[in-house]
Amino acid sequence: SQTIHQWPATLVQPVGSPLSLECTVEGTSNPNLYWYRQAAGRGLQLLFYSVGIGQISSEVPQNLSASRPQDRQFILSSKKLLLSDSGFYLCAWDKGDTEAFFGQGTRLTVV
Amino acid sequence: KNEVEQSPQNLTAQEGEFITINCSYSVGISALHWLQQHPGGGIVSLFMLSSGKKKHGRLIATINIQEKHSSLHITASHPRDSAVYICAGLRSNFGNEKLTFGTGTRLTIIP
Repeated sequence: SQTIHQWPATLVQPVGSPLSLECTVEGTSNPNLYWYRQAAGRGLQLLFYSVGIGQISSEVPQNLSASRPQDRQFILSSKKLLLSDSGFYLCAWDKGDTEAFFGQGTRLTVV
Repeated sequence: KNEVEQSPQNLTAQEGEFITINCSYSVGISALHWLQQHPGGGIVSLFMLSSGKKKHGRLIATINIQEKHSSLHITASHPRDSAVYICAGLRSNFGNEKLTFGTGTRLTIIP
């Protein structure tokens, strides 16, 4: 069966520290992969999407980056976190015109 | 104007009531997702539909392509239905499909 794993579930990091969130998908191949952020009281915002290994598109300028080193692995990174990076980060996958599947999310608090 | 707009933002109802959440979307969106986000943050996909109507248990989703409008209905609502319900539009762009999210409807069902 198809599953998506995202970790860690919660993270508290100081301002200026690096970030690495990992997402892996099982049970499918060549999925579209997405990173979303949900800031407090706001809707989901698309940060990055990838249609294949090494292919990353960024939707909003920010100090975050994404990488897809393997077909079913999607990593969200930052070299130096800002306070404004706090939020709830969700990884998701789909195959185009099919239902989307979401990870359980990572609640990031930058202090 | 957002590509996907939901209403109401907040909805409180008594257990057993019939619930309707509405979603309007802009030109170019080919399908709608209805998602459910629980207090912990995890998101579950309820429906994806591009025409007509789908039903799963007490949940019904409808879409009117001409009016660019979709509704999510919950019959015989129960406190466990309390969650944030999110409408998301699927837009295809040269083979890339991306979701645009509404800001969500926070539903609270009172026993």
